[in-house]
Amino acid sequence: EAQVTQNPRYLITVTGKKLTVTCSQNMNHEYMSWYRQDPGLGLRQIYYSMNVEVTDKGDVPEGYKVSRKEKRNFPLILESPSPNQTSLYFCASSLSNRGSGANVLTFGAGSRLTVL
Amino acid sequence: SQKIEQNSEALNIQEGKTATLTCNYTNYSPAYLQWYRQDPGRGPVFLLLIRENEKEKRKERLKVTFDTTLKQSLFHITASQPADSATYLCALATDYKLSFGAGTTVTVRA
Repeated sequence: EAQVTQNPRYLITVTGKKLTVTCSQNMNHEYMSWYRQDPGLGLRQIYYSMNVEVTDKGDVPEGYKVSRKEKRNFPLILESPSPNQTSLYFCASSLSNRGSGANVLTFGAGSRLTVL
Repeated sequence: SQKIEQNSEALNIQEGKTATLTCNYTNYSPAYLQWYRQDPGRGPVFLLLIRENEKEKRKERLKVTFDTTLKQSLFHITASQPADSATYLCALATDYKLSFGAGTTVTVRA
C-alpha cells in the first residue's frame, strides 16, 4: 500500500531531551515536507526537501532539524524540545519537486508530541 | 503579509443540504488551489485541485470554484451526508510550498 509512515504516533517527553520523529514513504516521491498543526493556526510548514541531500526551511523552522540521506526517509529532529513545540506533526510527500502547485501531497497519520 | 482565511471554524448543516465553504486569500498569486479533507486523528487527504484558468471543477458531489479576481475559492458539498462530516482545508501553492488555511469543520446532521 502506498503510504507515508510516521513514528512514533504519540510521544510525551520532557524539556531538553532530544527526540527524532521518523518519516518514510514507499512511493518513490521526490518531495517531502514536515508540517505542524496547532488549533486555530492550521498547518504550518517546518522544513521541506526537494530531493536527497536538498533541504530548505519552511515557515517555522526554529528548533527543528531535518536530513534527507535517502530518498524514502525524512526524519524530523528536535535537539532540545521545549513546551512550545507541543503539537501535532505531519510528514507529507509528493511525486514531483518541480514547484508546481499541481503537486498533490500525501500525508502521514500524524505524530502527537507533548513536551513537559 | 500572505494570508489564507477560511470562513467560520464550524458549519452545521442538515443531511441532504448543500454545504458551502469559503477560502479567501491575500498577497498570493496561486496558479493552483487545492482542497483537502481531514478526519479527527488522521492526516489530510487530497480531494480536488483547480487551476487558475478553470472557473469550476467537479468530482462526484463536490464542486470547487476559483475566482482569481475576488481571490476566493468556494467548495460545495451537495446532497450532504453524515459521512461528509470532517474538517476541510484549502491550500495554495507558491514555489515549493503548499500553504494551508486553518480549515472549516463541517458537521452533517442526520
